[in-house]
Amino acid sequence: NAGVTQTPKFQVLKTGQSMTLQCAQDMNHNSMYWYRQDPGMGLRLIYYSASEGTTDKGEVPNGYNVSRLNKREFSLRLESAAPSQTSVYFCAGGDAYNSPLHFGNGTRLTVT
Amino acid sequence: QKEVEQNSGPLSVPEGAIASLNCTYSDRGSQSFFWYRQYSGKSPELIMSIYSNGDKEDGRFTAQLNKASQYVSLLIRDSQPSDSATYLCAVLNYGGSQGNLIFGKGTKLSVKP
Repeated sequence: NAGVTQTPKFQVLKTGQSMTLQCAQDMNHNSMYWYRQDPGMGLRLIYYSASEGTTDKGEVPNGYNVSRLNKREFSLRLESAAPSQTSVYFCAGGDAYNSPLHFGNGTRLTVT
Repeated sequence: QKEVEQNSGPLSVPEGAIASLNCTYSDRGSQSFFWYRQYSGKSPELIMSIYSNGDKEDGRFTAQLNKASQYVSLLIRDSQPSDSATYLCAVLNYGGSQGNLIFGKGTKLSVKP
């Protein structure tokens, strides 16, 4: 039982390059989330998908796009990476609003 | 702007002592409260959730909630070096999906042997 799986674990990009962060869950969560975590800033929500077929912006959506491919998979795309997007990215799954989030292991992204 | 505030620490306690972690929140409509633990270089993991005023105990951990004071705390009894981590307080507003879950910036706890 893998839980929430993110790929890749590490990535280095040059400014202007694009990439997609992948997230898959086998916990049957209806909702999925993408957060970024920066030193001194805590966890900030980028985008979320409350259910299959829907996506919504979070606190810091600029420069990102998402796709909820099916119930299991939720990807995050950087179309033109910028150094300000250097961060650790976490995907998470959850259900009803009282339930906790289950996080993936994170992707450490560096943009030079 | 809805906010969740935590003392960033570091909070240093000797092994065997009680560690007390505090969190305040700005939105009176908040209904659900969570404590996550995050080891360095790892992902957050849930350790406690609390939804009503009072105390909730789970092993060495006790969560305390006071909605009138907009205050939630986590007590760790008999602290162990393995408890050294950053503790994140998270608050969910009533009627929201998990999209309205707001995290504090975390308190770093160091338990000295």
